[in-house]
Amino acid sequence: DGGITQSPKYLFRKEGQNVTLSCEQNLNHDAMYWYRQDPGQGLRLIYYSQIVNDFQKGDIAEGYSVSREKKESFPLTVTSAQKNPTAFYLCASSLAPPNTEAFFGQGTRLTVV
Amino acid sequence: DAKTTQPPSMDCAEGRAANLPCNHSTISGNEYVYWYRQIHSQGPQYIIHGLKNNETNEMASLIITEDRKSSTLILPHATLRDTAVYYCIVRPPYSGAGSYQLTFGKGTKLSVIP
Repeated sequence: DGGITQSPKYLFRKEGQNVTLSCEQNLNHDAMYWYRQDPGQGLRLIYYSQIVNDFQKGDIAEGYSVSREKKESFPLTVTSAQKNPTAFYLCASSLAPPNTEAFFGQGTRLTVV
Repeated sequence: DAKTTQPPSMDCAEGRAANLPCNHSTISGNEYVYWYRQIHSQGPQYIIHGLKNNETNEMASLIITEDRKSSTLILPHATLRDTAVYYCIVRPPYSGAGSYQLTFGKGTKLSVIP
């Protein structure tokens, strides 16, 4: 089945450690996105990528890094510089805007202790 | 970017129509209205989108006012599985980087009651 896969679903890390969240899609979409969601809040855009080897900062990029070496993959690294990393992270992909829908993965819940 | 305003919560009886309003009074002429929903602890799911005309698909109907300043998402026969947070989003026109940024507010929490 075509879709977008995030792994793992739950992730625990110690404070000060970098952690990488995986996002893979087989929808042949050029654009991919990372969002963060805190309890009771909407989604905030961290980074997005329009095409392979290109990515742009979103609204809250500080403390995060990404890469886009393959069309199918857009991993997100939460670095130790991110002050409040505990959150629900969502990856999405889409065809080129504007008249397209975004497909979301099921999310990764990161807890930093 | 045009901003949207939605009520924080709504209730709907099972089997009845759920009408979810959204105000987007600053929308520009070439911006689309999108609706997504998010069931608890899952990724958002696309529902429907439109520009000027009313739209209908297997999930819902979208009614956009003639002046485009507001819209209503209609779930014709709500079921318990429709309990979710519903997001109304205005998508910028294709004019570069900004068109990739979907801005999700807090949405409307719809509770379908048996």
